[in-house]
Amino acid sequence: SQQGEEDPQALSIQEGENATMNCSYKTSINNLQWYRQNSGRGLVHLILIRSNEREKHSGRLRVTLDTSKKSSSLLITASRAADTASYFCATDAWDAGNMLTFGGGTRLMVKP
Amino acid sequence: DVKVTQSSRYLVKRTGEKVFLECVQDMDHENMFWYRQDPGLGLRLIYFSYDVKMKEKGDIPEGYSVSREKKERFSLILESASTNQTSMYLCASSLGYQETQYFGPGTRLLVL
Repeated sequence: SQQGEEDPQALSIQEGENATMNCSYKTSINNLQWYRQNSGRGLVHLILIRSNEREKHSGRLRVTLDTSKKSSSLLITASRAADTASYFCATDAWDAGNMLTFGGGTRLMVKP
Repeated sequence: DVKVTQSSRYLVKRTGEKVFLECVQDMDHENMFWYRQDPGLGLRLIYFSYDVKMKEKGDIPEGYSVSREKKERFSLILESASTNQTSMYLCASSLGYQETQYFGPGTRLLVL
């Protein structure tokens, strides 16, 4: 079953704009990860944030985690056409056997 | 860099055929996973393995089996392929359950 749910399901923006994707989950988690998937390819890990962290940065990526709201957001700043991909959040939780559970993803299109 | 390879990018099989999908990782990871990915359903875990010859069922194991005879290799077997097994199959490996998963490029399987 899906623990994380991404919102929106699809997002279309112009190059240079910021893109924000959200992930909500149901139960307490240990960690939350974000992955990117280019069309027809495997997933690539972007960032991991632990339950005791509130914010993390990696290049143009900024991830926040609000455990009280059971939600996370991924912000991509100054987007590029190459950022066009699907983005997935994945959580691991004690009551899910500590296995990663993936959400359904957000499809991001960045128009040149 | 971790490398996870899958034996085929595209595969076309007939209903009833036995199908083998192979996955190899080069980072000495303990854990290996098989997922299937379908539109609107996200990634669903079929089987995983935490050690050689050890396997555990995931969320959707019916119709599949796995084999892990060597640490670096994890095979997914469709004993008798059916059309509802047409999907994208993704293999992944990780050091620990909660750690980053490294994905292969995926195998797109079409069962006719």
